[in-house]
Amino acid sequence: GAVVSQHPSWVICKSGTSVKIECRSLDFQATTMFWYRQFPKQSLMLMATSNEGSKATYEQGVEKDKFLINHASLTLSTLTVTSAHPEDSSFYICSVELAGADTQYFGPGTRLTVL
Amino acid sequence: SQQGEEDPQALSIQEGENATMNCSYKTSINNLQWYRQNSGRGLVHLILIRSNEREKHSGRLRVTLDTSKKSSSLLITASRAADTASYFCATHVGRDDKIIFGKGTRLHILP
Repeated sequence: GAVVSQHPSWVICKSGTSVKIECRSLDFQATTMFWYRQFPKQSLMLMATSNEGSKATYEQGVEKDKFLINHASLTLSTLTVTSAHPEDSSFYICSVELAGADTQYFGPGTRLTVL
Repeated sequence: SQQGEEDPQALSIQEGENATMNCSYKTSINNLQWYRQNSGRGLVHLILIRSNEREKHSGRLRVTLDTSKKSSSLLITASRAADTASYFCATHVGRDDKIIFGKGTRLHILP
């Protein structure tokens, strides 16, 4: 069964609104969570890394005030796209890493379309 | 979602040897990509191979794609300790280019 879930799986919103995407690890506590975005026909781009007990570390070029990441608990991370614009339309994927493990598990992704 | 399968799940080899990892998938693809992940770090993109390509090289990496068998392989030649990581394949499918990951191969290079 699924190890990591994301909600919603797809969302369409108007420009200027904010959208929250949830990432949940279902069977275990995740010490590290990652958020990626993927533009059509391109590779994943790491947006930020969130470690247990600390704030997210954003990659260069990713606006932390626009893409708010909250590692609310060891099983839940949220990504909020604030004041969304059409150029934010993308596929957003989270992944989680177990403590002491050297692999990660991916969520099914969320397709965001901003009109 | 992780509908692809990599094998082996784990691989340990001596430094200097070649490492081969395989990836199988279930549906027609637009392209296939290989990524590396070091523990605690995000994915690093390694190489992309399109559905109409059969082989690509990048440094010590060689990727093959067999669409008839729905499989791909990643070969790392002359392995180094720094190659120790997990390696994932990801397929891009459908009109919206949805990405689907395999479960990964954990590669350990022994000194």
